[in-house]
Amino acid sequence: EVQLLESGGGLIQPGGSLRLSCAASGFTFSMTSMAWVRQGPGKGLEWVSIIAASGGATHYADSVKGRFTISRDNSNSTLFLQMTSLRVEDTAVYYCAKARGLFVFSFDFWGQGSLVSVSS
Amino acid sequence: QSALTQPASVSGSPGQSITISCTGTSHDVGSYNYVSWYQQHPGKAPKLMIFDVTNRPSGVSTRFSGSKSGITASLTISGLQAEDEADYYCMSYTTSSTVVFGGGTKLTVL
Repeated sequence: EVQLLESGGGLIQPGGSLRLSCAASGFTFSMTSMAWVRQGPGKGLEWVSIIAASGGATHYADSVKGRFTISRDNSNSTLFLQMTSLRVEDTAVYYCAKARGLFVFSFDFWGQGSLVSVSS
Repeated sequence: QSALTQPASVSGSPGQSITISCTGTSHDVGSYNYVSWYQQHPGKAPKLMIFDVTNRPSGVSTRFSGSKSGITASLTISGLQAEDEADYYCMSYTTSSTVVFGGGTKLTVL
């Protein structure tokens, strides 16, 4: 059974930093691209960052480029999102999403989400 | 990259069929057959309903079907049931090797 368990969310002040983790199990993590997708309060889905199976290629939405860093530990089947210079508009539920395979053509499993609240 | 365009809301009565459209550009929907659809109930994580335009994951009802023509993809739900009431999002792979989501459509079962 595929499981994606996010952790690391919480309340943080603007300008602060936070690191999200996503522990994966039930599939071959090292052969699967992964992504972070967020959803602001009352808003739609927004992709944040994508990382290739090997970790060699990464992509970022313009809204987070230069502030967020995606990474993965294939030996421990864990995905990370380091978030710095956080803004109020980064407040959202952050989902870890598993691609169907090597490429992010679609996401077949999602974590339960981790709430990040940026507020003073 | 602008979001794909979806209607904000659609509605239908139980047993009826509805279609949700998803319009993109030549840089996403028009370039690949990699459109997927997600169902999201309030407070829950999204669930994959359709991938690669027309394919259903195991366990998804055959009442859900997808199609595409040019830069517009569509999700059709036949035989509407109360449990289908949810938000639906389309997503497409893009020529930048990223993805783009639609703004979401709220389906109301009357």
